[in-house]
Amino acid sequence: EVQLVESGGGFVHPGGSLRLSCAASGFTFSSYEMHWVRQAPGKGLEWVSYISISGTTIYYADSVKGRFTISRDNAKSSLSLQMNSLRAEDTAVYYCARVIWSGHNWFDPWGQGTLVTVSS
Amino acid sequence: EIVLTQSPATLSLSPGERATLSCRASQSVNSYLAWYQQKPGQAPRLLIYDASDRATGIPARFSGSGSGTDFTLTISSLEPEDFAVYYCQQRSNWPPLTFGGGTKVEIK
Repeated sequence: EVQLVESGGGFVHPGGSLRLSCAASGFTFSSYEMHWVRQAPGKGLEWVSYISISGTTIYYADSVKGRFTISRDNAKSSLSLQMNSLRAEDTAVYYCARVIWSGHNWFDPWGQGTLVTVSS
Repeated sequence: EIVLTQSPATLSLSPGERATLSCRASQSVNSYLAWYQQKPGQAPRLLIYDASDRATGIPARFSGSGSGTDFTLTISSLEPEDFAVYYCQQRSNWPPLTFGGGTKVEIK
């Protein structure tokens, strides 16, 4: 079964840091591009970041550029999101998502999500 | 950045009725549009990609149409499990990948 499991969410004060992880199983992780997508409480979906298969091509939403860093470890089938200088507006459920197939940036499947709460 | 506008915000229908959801792009996205379904407390699920192709395991009552700037998701006959929020997403011109604001299909 194809599965993505996020971890690392929690409560953090403004200006703090968190590192999210996404463990992949049931497919060849090293053959798929990956993304992070977030959803603020009661709000819609917002794309956050993309990483290519090799990790050499990376994109960020303007709202997180310079503060978040995406990375992957193909040997461990793992995706990460290092989040620094967190703000209240970063409060959201963060999902990792696989592309449906290489080069096609439709998200399938998604993880169950991990909640990040930034508050003083 | 391509802006996707979904309408209506809320659609109130009864089981068995036909649902028609709209997604309009601020500029052409060709056929590079997808639809997702999200139920409370769950991750989104891919329904339709490339405007009209059903994802694996998606029932035939879900269909997508359109190209350019105007797209439609149709649910031919609503089942109880179809009441949810639906989002469109484009991948034509990115980054960023963008989503519409969502349409909630609720029980009338």
